[in-house]
Amino acid sequence: EAGVVQSPRYKIIEKKQPVAFWCNPISGHNTLYWYLQNLGQGPELLIRYENEEAVDDSQLPKDRFSAERLKGVDSTLKIQPAELGDSAVYLCASSFRGADTGELFFGEGSRLTVL
Amino acid sequence: RKEVEQDPGPFNVPEGATVAFNCTYSNSASQSFFWYRQDCRKEPKLLMSVYSSGNEDGRFTAQLNRASQYISLLIRDSKLSDSATYLCVVSQGGKLIFGQGTELSVKP
Repeated sequence: EAGVVQSPRYKIIEKKQPVAFWCNPISGHNTLYWYLQNLGQGPELLIRYENEEAVDDSQLPKDRFSAERLKGVDSTLKIQPAELGDSAVYLCASSFRGADTGELFFGEGSRLTVL
Repeated sequence: RKEVEQDPGPFNVPEGATVAFNCTYSNSASQSFFWYRQDCRKEPKLLMSVYSSGNEDGRFTAQLNRASQYISLLIRDSKLSDSATYLCVVSQGGKLIFGQGTELSVKP
């Protein structure tokens, strides 16, 4: 069975440019998460979807970040405009039974470098 | 104060050593507890859940003390392949909150 697929794996952009990341979760997983991971830190939640509904976006910087999950399957995360401090790994994860089981399946991540 | 705090690393140990990781969490409403493992430049993966009664999976033993809001992971007879970052994780309100991780390096 295919795991969580993310693209692109690597992206280098100049500050003030836009960037978008795409995630395809495991088939049948209704819950989708976007996490941000800085070097030497643990992942930090940006947004959580239940099907197509964003049920927790309290930590998403809405002035420059946006996300969508059309049809409750694939998701995109966009940053516009990017800032130097946005350089990080953006991880997408999905789960079937929710966070209380602890079993989130992560993609390999999209590593963003903002110059 | 971070919601989940772990021992600062890195831990450098010889093969065969026993190593313990400690973690504290600040929100007493946290519901479930886990350890994740993250290899260098890879994604995090669930290592094991942590139960109040304590639980063991081979060389790995996890403990939870809800009163002290403390979680631990013990690795016995450490192997070179155990080298990774170990992330302490708690669930709250449908989401997982990660600690900053403790890096383990097992040397021959």
